[in-house]
Amino acid sequence: GDSVTQMEGPVTLSEEAFLTINCTYTATGYPSLFWYVQYPGEGLQLLLKATKADDKGSNKGFEATYRKETTSFHLEKGSVQVSDSAVYFCALSVNTGNQFYFGTGTSLTVIP
Amino acid sequence: GAVVSQHPSRVICKSGTSVKIECRSLDFQATTMFWYRQFPKQSLMLMATSNEGSKATYEQGVEKDKFLINHASLTLSTLTVTSAHPEDSSFYICSATDNHYGYTFGSGTRLTVV
Repeated sequence: GDSVTQMEGPVTLSEEAFLTINCTYTATGYPSLFWYVQYPGEGLQLLLKATKADDKGSNKGFEATYRKETTSFHLEKGSVQVSDSAVYFCALSVNTGNQFYFGTGTSLTVIP
Repeated sequence: GAVVSQHPSRVICKSGTSVKIECRSLDFQATTMFWYRQFPKQSLMLMATSNEGSKATYEQGVEKDKFLINHASLTLSTLTVTSAHPEDSSFYICSATDNHYGYTFGSGTRLTVV
C-alpha cells in the first residue's frame, strides 16, 4: 500500500545551520508529494509540493526534489532560523480527491 | 486561496458529554472532506472520509457510533464526539478538497476531556 517513511526526530539545530529531513515513500501509482509544517498550537500549512518526478518544490528557503529513482522527497534548507521551529510532515497523495498518507512528523527546534 | 475554517480551536468538556467540531470551506465547494486525529508526538491518522450528501467512510478501528460525521452541504462537515472520555482527548484536523485545486487543512481543534 501507499506509505511514507520519515526521519525520526527530534532535531535540534543552531541558527544558520543546514537542515535535511529525510522522506521516502511507497506508492502504487504516481503520487504527488508534499511537505506540511505545523507550528506550535496550529494546524497544518502546506510548505511545498511536487507533482511529478524531478520537480523541485520550494518555499521560504526550503526545497525538496521529487526523486523517483530513490523514491525520496528530502526536505532541505541552507540556513535555518529560530522561527523555523515546528513539526514537519512529509505526505503523499496518489490522486486528487484521495486521502493523504502522512509520515510520523519530525520536530525541529532551532536554537539561537 | 482556498480557506478552511475549523471551529472551535480549543474545547474542554466533561467526561460523558458530546462535542461538535465544525469544518467549513469558505470560498470553495468541498466535495470531499477528511477528518484526521493526531495523538501527541505522532502523525495524523485518517479517521474518515465524507462526501457531501452521503454517509462517511470510516477507517478500520474508528468507531462510527462514537465519532459521528455529517457532511450536510458542500461547505460544511461536522464531527461529533459522543460520550467523550479522556482517551478521546486529541488534536482533530479536517481537510477539504473540491477535487481540482488540492487540499486545504483546517487549523485544528484541541479537545480535552476531563
